[in-house]
Amino acid sequence: GQQLNQSPQSMFIQEGEDVSMNCTSSSIFNTWLWYKQDPGEGPVLLIALYKAGELTSNGRLTAQFGITRKDSFLNISASIPSDVGIYFCAGHLPYNQGGKLIFGQGTELSVKP
Amino acid sequence: SAVISQKPSRDICQRGTSLTIQCQVDSQVTMMFWYRQQPGQSLTLIATANQGSEATYESGFVIDKFPISRPNLTFSTLTVSNMSPEDSSIYLCSVDQGQDQPQHFGDGTRLSIL
Repeated sequence: GQQLNQSPQSMFIQEGEDVSMNCTSSSIFNTWLWYKQDPGEGPVLLIALYKAGELTSNGRLTAQFGITRKDSFLNISASIPSDVGIYFCAGHLPYNQGGKLIFGQGTELSVKP
Repeated sequence: SAVISQKPSRDICQRGTSLTIQCQVDSQVTMMFWYRQQPGQSLTLIATANQGSEATYESGFVIDKFPISRPNLTFSTLTVSNMSPEDSSIYLCSVDQGQDQPQHFGDGTRLSIL
């Protein structure tokens, strides 16, 4: 079945530093999504990517949909303490394949003030 | 995006009992899904809740263990049956409004089995 490989598994950074994490897949996805999960909450959508090669920003977040449609990265610039949490990439299968999400393993981000 | 309410938010249950989790959406949605998140792990799809018909289960999940209902386009339930400590997880409902809209999640139900 489809698998997403997300790296790194965890990051410990200083406030103000930039962060980069990525996901790769053995399968092609038409949509890539990036979510953040805080303790005690469900995943919250950060960025959705719909086109190969697409580069999308949301504030300090930037994500790209790889040209091969098998990978994506998320960058966070000038990190702040509230960026702490677990970040998940997810590939969205087409509706004729069930429309479900396949998740990466997650990247746990810790930010030292 | 749709507002998703899950109940209960958490529970502690005895081994061998069953618990039903509810997911209510404030608008009609095309698709509803149930995911499990084991401690320290990522999300794994349990099943797609189909309105008016039996749910579609993923490999490794069966209806007898995780019966699902979806009586209308705004509501679904997941039951975790005959619970054991291995069922201790976060159970999450998500909704897809179709037309390539991204899925959104409820806050989850944190389940601990003693």
